[in-house]
Amino acid sequence: DIHMTQSPSSLSASAGDRVIITCRASQSMSNYLSWYQHKPGTAPKLLIYAASSLESGVPSRFSGSASGTEFTLTIDSLQPVDFATYYCQQTYSTPWTFGQGTKVEVK
Amino acid sequence: VQLLQSGGGLVQPGGSLRLFCAASGFTFNSYSMSWVRQAAGKGLEWVSIISDDGTATYYADSVMGRFTISRDNSKKTVSLQMNSLRVEDTAIYYCASPRGGYCSGSSCHGQGFNSWGQGTLVTVSS
Repeated sequence: DIHMTQSPSSLSASAGDRVIITCRASQSMSNYLSWYQHKPGTAPKLLIYAASSLESGVPSRFSGSASGTEFTLTIDSLQPVDFATYYCQQTYSTPWTFGQGTKVEVK
Repeated sequence: VQLLQSGGGLVQPGGSLRLFCAASGFTFNSYSMSWVRQAAGKGLEWVSIISDDGTATYYADSVMGRFTISRDNSKKTVSLQMNSLRVEDTAIYYCASPRGGYCSGSSCHGQGFNSWGQGTLVTVSS
Protein backbone atom coordinates (compact mmCIF):
# COMPACT_ATOMS: atom_id res chain seq x y z
CA ASP A 1 0.00 0.00 0.00
CA ILE A 2 1.10 3.57 -0.67
CA HIS A 3 1.30 5.60 2.54
CA MET A 4 0.76 9.36 2.36
CA THR A 5 2.47 11.53 4.97
CA GLN A 6 0.84 14.95 5.11
CA SER A 7 2.26 17.94 6.97
CA PRO A 8 1.62 19.96 8.96
CA SER A 9 -1.34 18.43 10.78
CA SER A 10 -2.58 21.92 11.56
CA LEU A 11 -1.57 25.50 11.02
CA SER A 12 -2.74 28.94 12.01
CA ALA A 13 -2.88 31.64 9.38
CA SER A 14 -4.42 35.01 8.65
CA ALA A 15 -6.40 36.14 5.65
CA GLY A 16 -3.98 37.15 2.94
CA ASP A 17 -1.29 34.68 3.99
CA ARG A 18 0.28 32.13 1.68
CA VAL A 19 -0.27 28.60 2.94
CA ILE A 20 1.74 25.55 1.88
CA ILE A 21 0.74 21.98 2.67
CA THR A 22 2.90 19.01 1.75
CA CYS A 23 2.26 15.32 1.12
CA ARG A 24 4.97 12.75 0.72
CA ALA A 25 4.24 9.35 -0.80
CA SER A 26 5.96 6.19 0.42
CA GLN A 27 6.67 5.14 -3.18
CA SER A 28 6.55 6.46 -6.70
CA MET A 29 3.04 7.12 -7.95
CA SER A 30 3.40 9.32 -11.02
CA ASN A 31 0.99 12.28 -10.80
CA TYR A 32 -2.02 10.43 -9.42
CA LEU A 33 -2.43 12.90 -6.56
CA SER A 34 -5.48 14.94 -5.66
CA TRP A 35 -6.18 17.64 -3.07
CA TYR A 36 -9.50 18.19 -1.31
CA GLN A 37 -11.01 20.85 0.91
CA HIS A 38 -13.38 19.60 3.60
CA LYS A 39 -15.65 21.62 5.82
CA PRO A 40 -17.81 20.16 8.62
CA GLY A 41 -21.24 19.02 7.52
CA THR A 42 -20.40 19.03 3.84
CA ALA A 43 -18.89 16.61 1.36
CA PRO A 44 -15.22 17.05 0.47
CA LYS A 45 -14.50 19.25 -2.53
CA LEU A 46 -11.93 18.40 -5.18
CA LEU A 47 -9.45 21.25 -5.68
CA ILE A 48 -6.55 19.78 -7.61
CA TYR A 49 -6.18 16.55 -9.59
CA ALA A 50 -3.24 15.03 -11.45
CA ALA A 51 -1.00 16.82 -8.94
CA SER A 52 -1.27 20.23 -10.58
CA SER A 53 -4.51 20.51 -12.56
CA LEU A 54 -7.09 22.91 -11.17
CA GLU A 55 -10.60 21.48 -10.96
CA SER A 56 -13.23 23.50 -12.78
CA GLY A 57 -14.67 26.30 -10.70
CA VAL A 58 -11.88 26.31 -8.12
CA PRO A 59 -10.26 29.72 -7.57
CA SER A 60 -6.82 30.21 -9.09
CA ARG A 61 -5.30 31.01 -5.67
CA PHE A 62 -5.13 27.22 -5.25
CA SER A 63 -2.27 25.46 -7.00
CA GLY A 64 -0.51 22.13 -6.83
CA SER A 65 2.96 20.96 -7.69
CA ALA A 66 5.00 17.79 -7.60
CA SER A 67 8.62 16.82 -7.25
CA GLY A 68 9.22 13.08 -7.25
CA THR A 69 7.19 11.68 -4.39
CA GLU A 70 6.61 15.06 -2.73
CA PHE A 71 3.47 17.00 -3.54
CA THR A 72 2.51 20.50 -2.49
CA LEU A 73 -0.73 22.43 -2.24
CA THR A 74 -0.32 26.20 -2.15
CA ILE A 75 -3.03 28.67 -1.28
CA ASP A 76 -2.06 32.20 -2.28
CA SER A 77 -3.72 35.01 -0.36
CA LEU A 78 -5.83 32.92 2.00
CA GLN A 79 -9.47 33.97 2.06
CA PRO A 80 -11.92 33.64 5.01
CA VAL A 81 -13.76 30.85 3.13
CA ASP A 82 -10.55 28.83 2.91
CA PHE A 83 -10.41 27.94 6.60
CA ALA A 84 -11.05 24.22 6.45
CA THR A 85 -9.29 20.86 6.53
CA TYR A 86 -7.29 19.81 3.48
CA TYR A 87 -6.46 16.27 2.40
CA CYS A 88 -4.24 14.76 -0.23
CA GLN A 89 -5.12 11.41 -1.81
CA GLN A 90 -3.22 9.08 -4.06
CA THR A 91 -5.25 7.34 -6.75
CA TYR A 92 -2.36 5.48 -8.37
CA SER A 93 -3.11 2.12 -6.82
CA THR A 94 -5.74 0.69 -4.52
CA PRO A 95 -6.20 1.25 -1.66
CA TRP A 96 -6.56 4.91 -2.63
CA THR A 97 -5.09 6.31 0.55
CA PHE A 98 -5.60 9.78 2.00
CA GLY A 99 -3.15 11.86 3.94
CA GLN A 100 -3.94 12.54 7.59
CA GLY A 101 -5.30 16.01 6.85
CA THR A 102 -4.22 19.58 7.58
CA LYS A 103 -6.54 21.84 9.52
CA VAL A 104 -6.13 25.48 8.53
CA GLU A 105 -7.28 27.65 11.42
CA VAL A 106 -7.63 31.35 12.02
CA LYS A 107 -4.58 32.88 13.63
CA VAL B 1 -24.15 15.50 -11.70
CA GLN B 2 -25.86 14.26 -8.58
CA LEU B 3 -25.20 11.40 -6.20
CA LEU B 4 -28.11 10.82 -3.81
CA GLN B 5 -27.47 8.54 -0.89
CA SER B 6 -29.89 6.54 1.22
CA GLY B 7 -29.66 3.91 3.90
CA GLY B 8 -27.60 4.15 7.05
CA GLY B 9 -28.76 4.45 10.61
CA LEU B 10 -28.21 2.72 13.93
CA VAL B 11 -27.22 -0.95 14.12
CA GLN B 12 -25.86 -3.19 16.84
CA PRO B 13 -22.35 -4.62 16.69
CA GLY B 14 -22.32 -7.70 14.49
CA GLY B 15 -25.30 -6.47 12.53
CA SER B 16 -25.72 -5.56 8.88
CA LEU B 17 -26.66 -2.47 6.94
CA ARG B 18 -26.85 -1.55 3.27
CA LEU B 19 -26.08 1.86 1.81
CA PHE B 20 -27.33 3.05 -1.57
CA CYS B 21 -26.22 5.74 -3.96
CA ALA B 22 -28.28 6.82 -6.98
CA ALA B 23 -26.50 8.68 -9.74
CA SER B 24 -27.78 11.11 -12.32
CA GLY B 25 -26.40 13.65 -14.76
CA PHE B 26 -23.51 11.65 -16.15
CA THR B 27 -22.78 8.45 -18.07
CA PHE B 28 -22.84 6.21 -15.04
CA ASN B 29 -21.55 3.06 -16.74
CA SER B 30 -18.39 4.84 -17.86
CA TYR B 31 -17.09 5.52 -14.36
CA SER B 32 -15.93 3.48 -11.42
CA MET B 33 -17.67 4.28 -8.15
CA SER B 34 -16.29 4.40 -4.65
CA TRP B 35 -17.15 4.76 -0.98
CA VAL B 36 -15.25 6.95 1.48
CA ARG B 37 -15.93 7.35 5.19
CA GLN B 38 -15.05 9.67 8.02
CA ALA B 39 -15.34 8.77 11.68
CA ALA B 40 -15.99 11.57 14.13
CA GLY B 41 -12.82 13.54 14.76
CA LYS B 42 -10.86 11.48 12.24
CA GLY B 43 -9.68 11.95 8.69
CA LEU B 44 -11.07 10.64 5.44
CA GLU B 45 -10.71 6.91 4.83
CA TRP B 46 -11.13 5.27 1.44
CA VAL B 47 -13.33 2.17 1.78
CA SER B 48 -13.97 0.51 -1.57
CA ILE B 49 -14.21 0.92 -5.34
CA ILE B 50 -15.99 -0.92 -8.14
CA SER B 51 -15.07 -0.79 -11.81
CA ASP B 52 -17.35 0.78 -14.39
CA ASP B 53 -18.67 -2.58 -15.55
CA GLY B 54 -18.89 -4.02 -12.06
CA THR B 55 -16.49 -6.88 -12.73
CA ALA B 56 -13.71 -5.68 -10.41
CA THR B 57 -13.94 -4.66 -6.77
CA TYR B 58 -11.34 -3.50 -4.29
CA TYR B 59 -11.46 -2.89 -0.56
CA ALA B 60 -9.54 -1.33 2.29
CA ASP B 61 -8.01 -3.90 4.60
CA SER B 62 -10.22 -2.62 7.43
CA VAL B 63 -13.41 -3.78 5.67
CA MET B 64 -12.17 -6.67 3.52
CA GLY B 65 -14.37 -9.73 3.92
CA ARG B 66 -17.13 -7.80 5.69
CA PHE B 67 -18.23 -5.19 3.15
CA THR B 68 -19.37 -5.81 -0.43
CA ILE B 69 -19.68 -3.13 -3.10
CA SER B 70 -21.97 -3.68 -6.07
CA ARG B 71 -23.61 -1.67 -8.82
CA ASP B 72 -26.59 -1.84 -11.15
CA ASN B 73 -25.82 0.09 -14.31
CA SER B 74 -29.38 -0.23 -15.57
CA LYS B 75 -30.61 1.60 -12.48
CA LYS B 76 -27.53 3.84 -12.11
CA THR B 77 -27.03 2.79 -8.52
CA VAL B 78 -24.15 1.60 -6.38
CA SER B 79 -24.52 -0.02 -2.99
CA LEU B 80 -22.38 -1.02 -0.05
CA GLN B 81 -23.47 -4.08 1.90
CA MET B 82 -21.92 -3.93 5.36
CA ASN B 83 -21.90 -7.10 7.46
CA SER B 84 -20.34 -7.98 10.81
CA LEU B 85 -20.35 -4.30 11.70
CA ARG B 86 -18.03 -3.08 14.44
CA VAL B 87 -18.13 -0.02 16.67
CA GLU B 88 -15.16 1.32 14.73
CA ASP B 89 -17.24 1.32 11.51
CA THR B 90 -19.25 4.21 12.94
CA ALA B 91 -18.77 7.06 10.48
CA ILE B 92 -20.29 9.25 7.84
CA TYR B 93 -20.16 7.34 4.57
CA TYR B 94 -19.91 9.09 1.22
CA CYS B 95 -20.30 7.65 -2.24
CA ALA B 96 -18.02 9.30 -4.75
CA SER B 97 -17.21 9.20 -8.43
CA PRO B 98 -13.74 9.87 -9.82
CA ARG B 99 -13.32 12.29 -12.69
CA GLY B 100 -11.62 9.61 -14.72
CA GLY B 101 -9.57 6.47 -14.59
CA TYR B 102 -9.84 2.75 -15.02
CA CYS B 103 -9.51 -0.53 -13.20
CA SER B 104 -7.15 -3.17 -14.53
CA GLY B 105 -5.76 -6.29 -12.98
CA SER B 106 -4.99 -5.83 -9.32
CA SER B 107 -5.72 -2.11 -9.04
CA CYS B 108 -7.63 0.96 -10.11
CA HIS B 109 -6.12 4.23 -11.25
CA GLY B 110 -8.01 7.51 -11.18
CA GLN B 111 -7.86 11.26 -10.94
CA GLY B 112 -9.72 12.47 -7.91
CA PHE B 113 -13.32 12.35 -6.79
CA ASN B 114 -15.11 15.28 -8.39
CA SER B 115 -18.61 14.14 -7.44
CA TRP B 116 -19.78 13.23 -3.95
CA GLY B 117 -22.98 12.15 -2.29
CA GLN B 118 -24.36 14.10 0.64
CA GLY B 119 -23.10 11.55 3.16
CA THR B 120 -25.01 9.21 5.43
CA LEU B 121 -24.35 8.42 9.07
CA VAL B 122 -23.81 4.84 10.15
CA THR B 123 -23.77 4.28 13.90
CA VAL B 124 -22.74 0.92 15.31
CA SER B 125 -23.63 0.76 18.97
CA SER B 126 -25.31 -1.48 21.48
